[in-house]
Amino acid sequence: GDSVTQMEGPVTLSEEAFLTINCTYTATGYPSLFWYVQYPGEGLQLLLKATKADDKGSNKGFEATYRKETTSFHLEKGSVQVSDSAVYFCALSDPGDYGQNFVFGPGTRLSVLP
Amino acid sequence: AAGVIQSPRHLIKEKRETATLKCYPIPRHDTVYWYQQGPGQDPQFLISFYEKMQSDKGSIPDRFSAQQFSDYHSELNMSSLELGDSALYFCASSSSGIGEQFFGPGTRLTVL
Repeated sequence: GDSVTQMEGPVTLSEEAFLTINCTYTATGYPSLFWYVQYPGEGLQLLLKATKADDKGSNKGFEATYRKETTSFHLEKGSVQVSDSAVYFCALSDPGDYGQNFVFGPGTRLSVLP
Repeated sequence: AAGVIQSPRHLIKEKRETATLKCYPIPRHDTVYWYQQGPGQDPQFLISFYEKMQSDKGSIPDRFSAQQFSDYHSELNMSSLELGDSALYFCASSSSGIGEQFFGPGTRLTVL
């Protein structure tokens, strides 16, 4: 079945450091890819998405490019802030079937220190 | 903009009791998904409904059941609760079962 693998956390960075969180996937079809963020005590919020190969999703300074050849969707940000501290989930959805559920990665906890 | 609404936000139950969680999707969304997130875990898919019919089933225990009603809201019924059922339960909705899912704030269930 479909699966998502993320780099293990926690990741601890200083403010203004460069962030990369690796995400790779396996899928039988042509999935859409997503990054969700979960702040402490809150629900999941969509951060960005890409629906086909070579698409780049971007939001709030975060970026990720859908790389079909390497089955990857790595999350990057050039300069992190303390407010970026959260858990980040990579996810995929196979749009081929109605009601298709998301498959989430295990999440990567990011802590940004001032 | 309207978001996914879940109720209650917090619920405390005793072992072997029952619980009902409700989810109200974004207007005009016809697909609802339920996920369970244990402490420090990623969300695990339980079940989904499209146009009031079950469309996919994940790791939902037999003690749990769910349905989607004519107004598209959904309820997750949980019986014979166990300590291990303590978790955050998320509902998400989408349009026509494809693409982006919008998540509700979750219901935190604590089983004592």
